[in-house]
Amino acid sequence: QVQLQESGPGLVKPSQTLSLTCTVSGGSISSGSYYWSWIRQPAGKGLEWIGRICTSGSTIYNPSLKSRVTISVDTSKNQFSLKLSSVTAADTAVYYCASGDWNDLWGHGTLVTVSS
Amino acid sequence: QSVLTQPPSASGTPGQRVTISCSGSSSNIGSNYVYWYQQLPGTAPKLLIYRNNQRPSGVPDRFSGSKSGTSASLAISGLRSEDEADYYCAAWDDSLYVFGTGTKVTVL
Repeated sequence: QVQLQESGPGLVKPSQTLSLTCTVSGGSISSGSYYWSWIRQPAGKGLEWIGRICTSGSTIYNPSLKSRVTISVDTSKNQFSLKLSSVTAADTAVYYCASGDWNDLWGHGTLVTVSS
Repeated sequence: QSVLTQPPSASGTPGQRVTISCSGSSSNIGSNYVYWYQQLPGTAPKLLIYRNNQRPSGVPDRFSGSKSGTSASLAISGLRSEDEADYYCAAWDDSLYVFGTGTKVTVL
C-alpha cells in the first residue's frame, strides 16, 4: 500500500526558500505514468493547488506561484520535492503532497510557518 | 479567490439527505471533470468522487456526485455523524487545478 510522508523545516524566515520533500513508500515513484502534486492550506482556509510533476519530469504550476515554485523528482530516493522561493507570511500553511491522476492519495501534511 | 463557489455551510439530521453545490464556468466545470474531497477535522483531504460521479474503492454509496453544465453537486444520503467534515469540489481550469471554496457539513 503506497503511502506519502512530507518532511522539511517547520519554520522558514521571510525571503528565504521553503524546501519540502515527500517520500513515497510501498511503491516506486517511477512506475508507470503518474502524477505527484503539492497542495497547501492556510489555517482555517481552503485548499490551494501549487503544482504537479509527472514521472516523465514534465511540470505544471499554479500561475500565481509559478515564478517562485520548483517541483522535482528524485527517483533514486523515491521522493519528490517542493521549493518555494522568496517566502512571506502569506506562505504560512499546511503543505500536503498528493499522488495520482485525481489526487487520490494524500500525505498527512506538514505545517510550515514563515516568520523571523 | 477560488473560481468554484460552494455554500459555506450545510447541515442535516442523521438519516437525512444533504446536497452541496459547486458553481463554476465554461472553462472549468463546463469542460472538465469534477472531483470532490472530504476533509475530516484535523486530517488531510480524501478523494470522495472522481470524474463527476465515480467513487473510489471504499467510499460508501451514500456519497454521489453529479454535474450539469457549469455546476456540480455532491449528495450525501443517510447522513451520519462521521460525515461531519469540510467538503471541497475541484476541477481543471486550463492548466490550473482549482478547488472550490469549501462547505462545512454539520450533523445536527
